[in-house]
Amino acid sequence: TQLLEQSPQFLSIQEGENLTVYCNSSSVFSSLQWYRQEPGEGPVLLVTVVTGGEVKKLKRLTFQFGDARKDSSLHITAAQPGDTGLYLCAGVIQGAQKLVFGQGTRLTINP
Amino acid sequence: DTGVSQDPRHKITKRGQNVTFRCDPISEHNRLYWYRQTLGQGPEFLTYFQNEAQLEKSRLLSDRFSAERPKGSFSTLEIQRTEQGDSAMYLCASSLQTYGYTFGSGTRLTVV
Repeated sequence: TQLLEQSPQFLSIQEGENLTVYCNSSSVFSSLQWYRQEPGEGPVLLVTVVTGGEVKKLKRLTFQFGDARKDSSLHITAAQPGDTGLYLCAGVIQGAQKLVFGQGTRLTINP
Repeated sequence: DTGVSQDPRHKITKRGQNVTFRCDPISEHNRLYWYRQTLGQGPEFLTYFQNEAQLEKSRLLSDRFSAERPKGSFSTLEIQRTEQGDSAMYLCASSLQTYGYTFGSGTRLTVV
């Protein structure tokens, strides 16, 4: 059983479309991060959210942390082929010292 | 400082052999983590160091696996008597806090 459930696991859309990826759990997290990973490389940190209800924007990417700090979403506006990759959510459970990861969402943006 | 370095990038070994991987974290970071990632999955936690102390180990880390961080700087992960199921990407990360990790590029292990 995954502590963090990401959906969808696979998403293939056309350039210019919008999309949302979800990350859900029954556990409360003290912080939640989103990473992007290219084939053969380690994950690269995109954003960290720590406050319930927090919204952060990174160009065309919008990240939201749920009010109860149990879930998060990543929204991409006007997706581009360069957005293609594996998107991972990861969180630190309250009182713990390590990140736990979701299984990832493999995103493909077709030109 | 250019980030977290891992060596080697790729390792092919025969079943039953021992292998050792090295991780050099960002020098100011006192926390160091090892994760394992198989194809199509998110990284799974293996072990965590704060300075030279190994503070947590996953149940995934069988007695064939051992990790060290002498002097709180670089770390090594050794796998003894490798099995085909050990084939994976082994990722090292470092941080100053419990979040915001910087990952290395990983070591891809293939056991044949």
